[in-house]
Parts: sequence; structure tokens; C-alpha cells
Amino acid sequence: AQTVTQSQPEMSVQEAETVTLSCTYDTSESDYYLFWYKQPPSRQMILVIRQEAYKQQNATENRFSVNFQKAAKSFSLKISDSQLGDAAMYFCAYRSTIQGAQKLVFGQGTRLTINP
Amino acid sequence: SAVISQKPSRDICQRGTSLTIQCQVDSQVTMMFWYRQQPGQSLTLIATANQGSEATYESGFVIDKFPISRPNLTFSTLTVSNMSPEDSSIYLCSGGSVYTEAFFGQGTRLTVV
Repeated sequence: AQTVTQSQPEMSVQEAETVTLSCTYDTSESDYYLFWYKQPPSRQMILVIRQEAYKQQNATENRFSVNFQKAAKSFSLKISDSQLGDAAMYFCAYRSTIQGAQKLVFGQGTRLTINP
Repeated sequence: SAVISQKPSRDICQRGTSLTIQCQVDSQVTMMFWYRQQPGQSLTLIATANQGSEATYESGFVIDKFPISRPNLTFSTLTVSNMSPEDSSIYLCSGGSVYTEAFFGQGTRLTVV
């Protein structure tokens, strides 16, 4: 079974600075998806960024980018120019491409605090 | 992207009663899932809601406790039966297709007293 590990329960960063959240995963599959979701106090799970394993190029979405290291099974999220609205729980998630096994497997989460 | 409406957003229930949570998607999705998120914890999958057939439950979750229906490709319900205070959690539904990300409802915060 796949597992996802986020080793940083909490992180904090000064507004406008850059922060990197870590995520590692374990799988024997070669094709899969990886995601970062954000959960603010409103509880709504918001997709931040997605990465297809077959793509070598790291995904980017405005101030958010990932460092995807397939061989190392590492998938970190970099947030540049941090803003107060970035404060939330961040979850890394894995999804298989195998039919019938496409549930999301989540890491434990990292609580990100932005200091003004 | 799909929009998922989940209701109720919160409820306070007496122990021993049941609560049904509804999840409506604004477009057809091939996959729908139900998650539980206990306070301060990550999301744990309860089951995969299968259209027109019985749900597929994860280890530790049983149909008698968490019956699920999915009559079509846009709607699903989760019932939390015979509730106890240990069932106090956030319950989230999600939906998506094979090649898209999963979209989430806004969650239901359940408190059992």
C-alpha cells in the first residue's frame, strides 16, 4: 500500500519570504499523480498544485512550485513571496492510476503560519 | 472543475441517533469518495461510493455503521449510524475523474453529545 509522509507538523515563515514544505511517499507504481492541497480554517480542501509522475518537468502555479524527485520519491512544495492568505494546513496526497485504486492517500499535514 | 455542494455544513446530534450527509456535484464524475477528518488529523478514507452498487469500504469502516448510497453520477449520501461521541469529526466528500484532481465539498462538522 502507498504511504505519504510529511515530516514537518508545523512551519512558519515571514510574510514575503519563501518556504518549502516537505513530502515523501512510498509506492511500487511507476505512474501516478501527486497533489498538494490547502485547507484553511473554513475546512474547504483547495487544490494548490498537481504533478503527473510521467512528467519530468516540475509543476508551477504562480507563486507555488514543486520539486519532484521521482527516484527519491520526494515531492516538496515551495511557496514564494508568502502572503497572509497562505496560512493553512497543507496536505500532500498520492493517487494511483490503477483502475479501482484511485483514492487519494494523504500525508499527516503541515500547519503553515505566516508572520506579518 | 467541478463544484461539490455538501450539506449540512454542521450539526450537533444526540448519541444513538443517525445523520445523513448529502453530496451533490454539478457535473458527472466517475469517482466519489467519503473521508473522515478527526480533530487536528489528516483525512482518512471511509469508502468509495460506487454508482449503482455497494460502496467499497476501507479497513476499519463497515456498512452497518456508515451506509453509503450513490444512485447516479452526481449524488451520494453518507449516513453515520448509531452515533457516539467518538464519531465527532469532519466528514468530507470528494469527486473527480480518472485524469483530473479530486474536488471536495466544504465538509460537515459533526458533534455528538
